[in-house]
Amino acid sequence: AQSVTQLDSHVSVSEGTPVLLRCNYSSSYSPSLFWYVQHPNKGLQLLLKYTSAATLVKGINGFEAEFKKSETSFHLTKPSAHMSDAAEYFCVVSDQETSYDKVIFGPGTSLSVIP
Amino acid sequence: NAGVTQTPKFQVLKTGQSMTLQCAQDMNHNSMYWYRQDPGMGLRLIYYSASEGTTDKGEVPNGYNVSRLNKREFSLRLESAAPSQTSVYFCASRLAGGPSYEQYFGPGTRLTVT
Repeated sequence: AQSVTQLDSHVSVSEGTPVLLRCNYSSSYSPSLFWYVQHPNKGLQLLLKYTSAATLVKGINGFEAEFKKSETSFHLTKPSAHMSDAAEYFCVVSDQETSYDKVIFGPGTSLSVIP
Repeated sequence: NAGVTQTPKFQVLKTGQSMTLQCAQDMNHNSMYWYRQDPGMGLRLIYYSASEGTTDKGEVPNGYNVSRLNKREFSLRLESAAPSQTSVYFCASRLAGGPSYEQYFGPGTRLTVT
């Protein structure tokens, strides 16, 4: 069965330092993978997605993620954190086994950015 | 192009009262979803609709009903609200036809049941 693990429930970084949010997935098929961001009291917004094209995916606001099949990982990175990056981040997997119309959410990682 | 809209934004109910949360999308998407979000539990799928006229249970359907009124609208009904249904509810839509399509989310409805 599919699953998504976000290895850290909370990450704290200083402004201007790199961000790394970790995601591992389980899938029997070639998955599509997504990262969403949720700012406080807001809905979710797509940051980036991987759909079997280039393994290094660039998203909005300077974020990027690399799909590593051998490690079943899809970690999210950003070279330099901004205060506006403080939010909840969700890793999501979708493949042919998830009933074609469902997706599997990870539990989320809360990112704090210290001035 | 408003995307996904939800009404109301906030609601307070007493135990046993009923209400309907409304969701509409203007992107001509086939699939629509209702999630609830609780602290420390991420998003949990309540119901989804793969296409107009079809609905299916998700992970936590008990205490809820849904209606896919037409392609645009997907409503969630609480027949007899309970304090355990205090949560933030999100509607989402997605262009069906393959797992590579992302979901688009509404702004959420914050529901408190006392």
